[in-house]
Amino acid sequence: EVQLVESGGGLVKPGESLRLSCAASGFTFSSYNMNWVRQAPGKGLEWVSSISSGGTYIYYADSVKGRFTISRDNAKNSLSLQLSSLRAEDTAVYYCARQRQYSTSSGSWFDPWGQGTLVTVSS
Amino acid sequence: QSVLTQPPSASGTPGQRVTISCSGSSSNIGSNTVNWYQQLPGTAPKLLIYSNNQRPSGVPDRFSGSKSGTSASLAISGLQSEDEADYYCATWDDSLNGWVFGGGTKMTVL
Repeated sequence: EVQLVESGGGLVKPGESLRLSCAASGFTFSSYNMNWVRQAPGKGLEWVSSISSGGTYIYYADSVKGRFTISRDNAKNSLSLQLSSLRAEDTAVYYCARQRQYSTSSGSWFDPWGQGTLVTVSS
Repeated sequence: QSVLTQPPSASGTPGQRVTISCSGSSSNIGSNTVNWYQQLPGTAPKLLIYSNNQRPSGVPDRFSGSKSGTSASLAISGLQSEDEADYYCATWDDSLNGWVFGGGTKMTVL
């Protein structure tokens, strides 16, 4: 069974740091691009960051660029997101999601998603 | 303010056909395929439609997607009570070099 399990969330103060992890199982992790998507309480989905299968290509949303760092360890089937200089507006549930595609022309999509881990930034 | 525009809410009675629109621009929907996600209350999002109009296995054929120009839509025919959820459209944006989501549409079954 394909599974993604996030961990590392918690309560931190503004300006502090936190590291989120996503453990993958049930598929060849090293073959897939991976993503982080977050959802503030009562709000919609916001894409945060993407990393290619080999870690070469990395993208960030403007809202987190320079503060968050995505990385992966294909040997450990693990995806990470380092959150720094945290702000109140970073409070959200953070989901990791596998990116799939059938061909260049088919585009790609997120499937599956993990259950999420809650990050709360408050003094 | 989301890059993709969806109506914040939609509703219908059981058995009715309802549609949700998703409007974008040439750099996102106009250039790339659209995906739809369903988020049931208190759960993680789930893939509902990919590549504009493809259903993953296990998704009922009551759900269908389409795209034309810089807009896309999700249709639910034979609406059921279990379809009460938030629905999000998403695609890649070539100008932003990132994924963009619609603001989400809350579907209520009356």
